[in-house]
Formats: sequence, C-alpha cells, structure tokens
Amino acid sequence: AQSVTQLDSHVSVSEGTPVLLRCNYSSSYSPSLFWYVQHPNKGLQLLLKYTSAATLVKGINGFEAEFKKSETSFHLTKPSAHMSDAAEYFCVVSVYGNKLVFGAGTILRVKS
Amino acid sequence: GAGVSQSPRYKVAKRGQDVALRCDPISGHVSLFWYQQALGQGPEFLTYFQNEAQLDKSGLPSDRFFAERPEGSVSTLKIQRTQQEDSAVYLCASSKRRDRDNYGYTFGSGTRLTVV
Repeated sequence: AQSVTQLDSHVSVSEGTPVLLRCNYSSSYSPSLFWYVQHPNKGLQLLLKYTSAATLVKGINGFEAEFKKSETSFHLTKPSAHMSDAAEYFCVVSVYGNKLVFGAGTILRVKS
Repeated sequence: GAGVSQSPRYKVAKRGQDVALRCDPISGHVSLFWYQQALGQGPEFLTYFQNEAQLDKSGLPSDRFFAERPEGSVSTLKIQRTQQEDSAVYLCASSKRRDRDNYGYTFGSGTRLTVV
C-alpha cells in the first residue's frame, strides 16, 4: 500500500535560513509524489510534483524537492525562509492516479 | 469558474441533523474527489468520480455518507444523522484529464462542518 511519513510535525526556522521538511514514502511501484501547502483558512496549494521525470523538482516560491529512490525520500527544501512561508505542508503520494494519500503534515514556523 | 468552489464555507449542525455540502469543480474537469480533514490531521480520501460515475467510494466512513454527481459537474456530499465525529473540513478537488498526476489537482477551500 502507498503511504507517506512526514518525519517532523513542527519545524521552526529563522527568517533567511534554510528550510528542510522531511518526507519518506512507501510504494510498491514508481510513485507520483507531491508537496502541498495549506495556509490558515485557505485551500491546499500545489508546491511541486514528481512524476518520474527529473529527480530534482523545482516548485513555486523557491521550493524544491529531490526524489531519492534508494532512500525512499522526497524532502522539501528552500534556501532562505520568508515569513510568508509559515504554513502547514503536506507530502502526498498518488495511488494509480485515483486518489491522493496525505502525510500528517508539518507545521512550519518562521521566526523574525 | 476560475477555481473549485465549495459551499457553504461553514456549517454548524445539531447532532442527528442531515447536511449537504456542495462542490463546483473547474469547468471541464472530469475527475472530482472528496476528502475529509479532521483537526490536526492530513486530508483523507472519501470518494472519487469520473464524470457522473462514482468509481471509488472506499473512503466513505459509514453508510450515513453519500455522494453524487448526477450530471458530471456539480457534486454533493450528503451526511445523514450527523455525529460529533463527523466534525471536520470537507475538501473537494478536481482534475482535467485521465493523466491526473501530471496535470494536477485543484482543491477548493473546503467546508468546515461542526456538529454540536
């Protein structure tokens, strides 16, 4: 069965420092993986997606993620955090394109 | 429309009351999904439509939950005899084509249901 594990429920960084949100996946086949962001009282917004093309995926707002099959990981990174990045982030795996399985989420706090 | 629209934005129901939640997907999107997001958790799959056909309803938690999309566009999620454990945000998402993973999914802002 497909699943994702987000290794940190909360991450706190200072503005201007790097962001790392960790995600491990489990899949019986080559998965499609996504990162979504959810700001308070807002809908889920797609940051980036991996669908078996380049393993380093660039997304919106300076975020990127690297698919590492040997480590079954899909960690989300950003070189320099901005206050507006404070939100909840979800790592997601697609099950045969018919449904999405979400991780439990990581709340990112950005300190000024 | 420009995005996925859900209504109402907030719903307070008394325990035992029936509720109906509406989703207007992006025009032309053939795939429609419902997810349930409990407080502090990630969204969980409820059901999936391709046009008017409900292809997967394995995530519906009980027979009190029912979803329909009769004309292949607007969808309604109905919950009968609501219970406190039904309190959650209900999210709708749509996608344009069969190759959904490559095309992507657009989520609505959700309906926050509170059962008192």
